[in-house]
Amino acid sequence: QQQVKQSPQSLIVQKGGISIINCAYENTAFDYFPWYQQFPGKGPALLIAIRPDVSEKKEGRFTISFNKSAKQFSLHIMDSQPGDSATYFCAAAQGGSEKLVFGKGTKLTVNP
Amino acid sequence: GAVVSQHPSRVICKSGTSVKIECRSLDFQATTMFWYRQFPKQSLMLMATSNEGSKATYEQGVEKDKFLINHASLTLSTLTVTSAHPEDSSFYICSAQTDTTYNSPLHFGNGTRLTVT
Repeated sequence: QQQVKQSPQSLIVQKGGISIINCAYENTAFDYFPWYQQFPGKGPALLIAIRPDVSEKKEGRFTISFNKSAKQFSLHIMDSQPGDSATYFCAAAQGGSEKLVFGKGTKLTVNP
Repeated sequence: GAVVSQHPSRVICKSGTSVKIECRSLDFQATTMFWYRQFPKQSLMLMATSNEGSKATYEQGVEKDKFLINHASLTLSTLTVTSAHPEDSSFYICSAQTDTTYNSPLHFGNGTRLTVT
């Protein structure tokens, strides 16, 4: 049973465009939703995270939108740059647990 | 920022041998570390939770006798893949929290690419 469903599997965006990656979860006990960025051959790096008590969180060009009733959250990358080309993972955890459940990842390619 | 170091970054071993992977928290103490496995173009799957001074907690389906975890100090956890076989070839990644506050960020190492021939 996949607890966090992520889409699309891959995404190609032109430089300067907006990249949008979506995730949906099933477990209503999840209360922590981070996004990670992973470059080839490297470990994931935390980008931004949100708790269910807010509907949106912005850090620089990265924004998380959260819809608690729909059990969905998304990552928006504004003014996408070639250096943003990486694989992005959404994740979820419950009860303050560090045991993250990851989505399957989205490979983002930003063309110059 | 917090740094988690993994060693080695790549290892090739022969089938039947054992391989040890180290995960160190360089500038903080980690009472808990996590070991993940990642197949090519796949997501990260939690294998086990490593607790300093006690036995690791393994996720369902992970063989604890095959994947030995030792967390002997607050800055070091090791994963030993025993009697490795080609199907154990994968990318192994560890992670740790800088503190135990609610939902404090997890920091990941750069992973170890294991190839079993």
